[in-house]
Amino acid sequence: DAGITQSPRHKVTETGTPVTLRCHQTENHRYMYWYRQDPGHGLRLIHYSYGVKDTDKGEVSDGYSVSRSKTEDFLLTLESATSSQTSVYFCAISDGTGGVDEQFFGPGTRLTVL
Amino acid sequence: DAKTTQPNSMESNEEEPVHLPCNHSTISGTDYIHWYRQLPSQGPEYVIHGLTSNVNNRMASLAIAEDRKSSTLILHRATLRDAAVYYCILRVNTPLVFGKGTRLSVIA
Repeated sequence: DAGITQSPRHKVTETGTPVTLRCHQTENHRYMYWYRQDPGHGLRLIHYSYGVKDTDKGEVSDGYSVSRSKTEDFLLTLESATSSQTSVYFCAISDGTGGVDEQFFGPGTRLTVL
Repeated sequence: DAKTTQPNSMESNEEEPVHLPCNHSTISGTDYIHWYRQLPSQGPEYVIHGLTSNVNNRMASLAIAEDRKSSTLILHRATLRDAAVYYCILRVNTPLVFGKGTRLSVIA
């Protein structure tokens, strides 16, 4: 299994509070991604990173920010959590984004915003 | 991203072969066909990918139509552990874009 960990694995928070999710990899892969998964929508890309301090927006980036200060860590921040951000969040990594590159996914973080 | 079409759900008996179809009529010449699956309460995992030729690995086989407008993921002997959502994704130089996939149920 690819060395990807996510923390916390479960979190319950209240509307309006800041939340930070962490993704940590031990594979030294260049690319890291954050997805969210909701019933009826499948996985949707929030943000991704193509190197330290290099990030780009995905399909559903509003309300989220990211940071990558080290190759191994990719942080997802909800500045002021809302109930619509209740979801399961998956981190993924890959060595590239080419047609032959495989993405490896973490175990997920279940976030509930009350 | 080019779009794929998959059935919402399929059912198979244990130890029988399963053929999961995917239509991608707008595929471009540089799009690779990827398959991922997501077991219950887990993140997606890679299954197989191909460009033009059929591919085999330890998990599955991928049969690609000659015109590349469709493909079929073949599980040779379904087990209960193969019950999952299977995603067919076209990829060139972008992060994976997931559709809703096919939910495969395996009956003992």
